[in-house]
Amino acid sequence: DIQLTQSPSFLSASVGDRVTITCRASQGISSYLAWYQQKPGKAPKLLIYAASTLQSGVPSRFSGSGSGTEFTLTISSLQPEDFATYYCQQLNSYPFTFGGGTKVEIK
Amino acid sequence: EVQLVESGGGLVQPGRSLRLSCAASGFTFDDYAMHWVRQVSGKGLEWVSGISWNSGSIDYADSVKGRFTISRDNAKNSLYLQMNSLRAEDTAFYYCAKDISGQSPPTIYFDNWGQGTLVTVSS
Repeated sequence: DIQLTQSPSFLSASVGDRVTITCRASQGISSYLAWYQQKPGKAPKLLIYAASTLQSGVPSRFSGSGSGTEFTLTISSLQPEDFATYYCQQLNSYPFTFGGGTKVEIK
Repeated sequence: EVQLVESGGGLVQPGRSLRLSCAASGFTFDDYAMHWVRQVSGKGLEWVSGISWNSGSIDYADSVKGRFTISRDNAKNSLYLQMNSLRAEDTAFYYCAKDISGQSPPTIYFDNWGQGTLVTVSS
């Protein structure tokens, strides 16, 4: 099975900060990686797919990069509505594993 | 508008069974693969199972293999998860999710999720 290691697991930041979250795969997954945002009590919301493609309607301050085993999600200028938990997911092969999550909280 | 509505959750004793359903609308159900994902309260996401558009490709997480069975009825626009031999560690919110593709893996993303149904396994 492919393991995804997400870091950091917790991040404290201020509005306007640039934030970067890393996701490392235990083996190559090409660009079959998606990023989701989840707020308490809600289902996950797709942000980025194919490692770097912004989902329609998602603000351009979100961006993704990487391929193979190293991926990053960047929020260029953190906004109040961005405080949430972020997950990466590999979709290259079953089982479709998720990273452990990164909780972004207000500093 | 795509809608996925899960049902069938509840309180069940260890070792018993439960069947979850996911009613789909707003899209051509039999064009897409579907998945179940679960989440223990306050914890991370865990993919549970996936099924291709024609049920030809099915897989499970190791944690549920041999106990859970995924199925779909395209005539009824419905996805199911039969959960047998339930354990306390199966307690979680269970989400159904729509794949962007009909056949996976590989695929690109899950584009729609239900709101989840809570399964609690306790005596």
